[in-house]
Amino acid sequence: EPEVTQTPSHQVTQMGQEVILRCVPISNHLYFYWYRQILGQKVEFLVSFYNNEISEKSEIFDDQFSVERPDGSNFTLKIRSTKLEDSAMYFCASSTGTVGRGYTFGSGTRLTVV
Amino acid sequence: AQTVTQSQPEMSVQEAETVTLSCTYDTSESDYYLFWYKQPPSRQMILVIRQEAYKQQNATENRFSVNFQKAAKSFSLKISDSQLGDAAMYFCAHEGGGSNYKLTFGKGTLLTVNP
Repeated sequence: EPEVTQTPSHQVTQMGQEVILRCVPISNHLYFYWYRQILGQKVEFLVSFYNNEISEKSEIFDDQFSVERPDGSNFTLKIRSTKLEDSAMYFCASSTGTVGRGYTFGSGTRLTVV
Repeated sequence: AQTVTQSQPEMSVQEAETVTLSCTYDTSESDYYLFWYKQPPSRQMILVIRQEAYKQQNATENRFSVNFQKAAKSFSLKISDSQLGDAAMYFCAHEGGGSNYKLTFGKGTLLTVNP
């Protein structure tokens, strides 16, 4: 069964540093997403991406965040200047865009900011 | 804006028994989808079951079934013949209208299965 692949599985970074979280969505999917889950809390929507542009973003997704699909296969989330409160599990997901089909989620990247 | 509420932070069940996890939601839309996702200790998000709001029939997937009450905006998950592998965090989620298919999640219910 096709998978969404995320790398790395765990990233430790110093506060103020930039990090890039990488995702390879399922190849025939059209919509891509990033979600965040702070430890012990619910999963929160960050951003959706379609047709090479952001289609929706949450209030969490401020100027320190950016996404891009640089080469037609990878989908990245960049956090420009990490803060302690950015420590969380970050999930990439993709979907065909057929409403109600749900997503395929990746295994997540655990980001720890120290 | 959609909201999803899971009022049970933790639940436990004996192996082979049945357990029901509760979920309520709020939406102004008439057409939407609801999901239950399972998150085991590996933190992977796994789709368990989906329900289309315009369908009155409750969805079933093997040992998993839902009780969907549209008027009450309630969407509970029933796990029959619970197995040790069912132990996980369970999230209820709503997919609204629009073109972005964004999911709104509840806070989750941690299910423990006792042998």
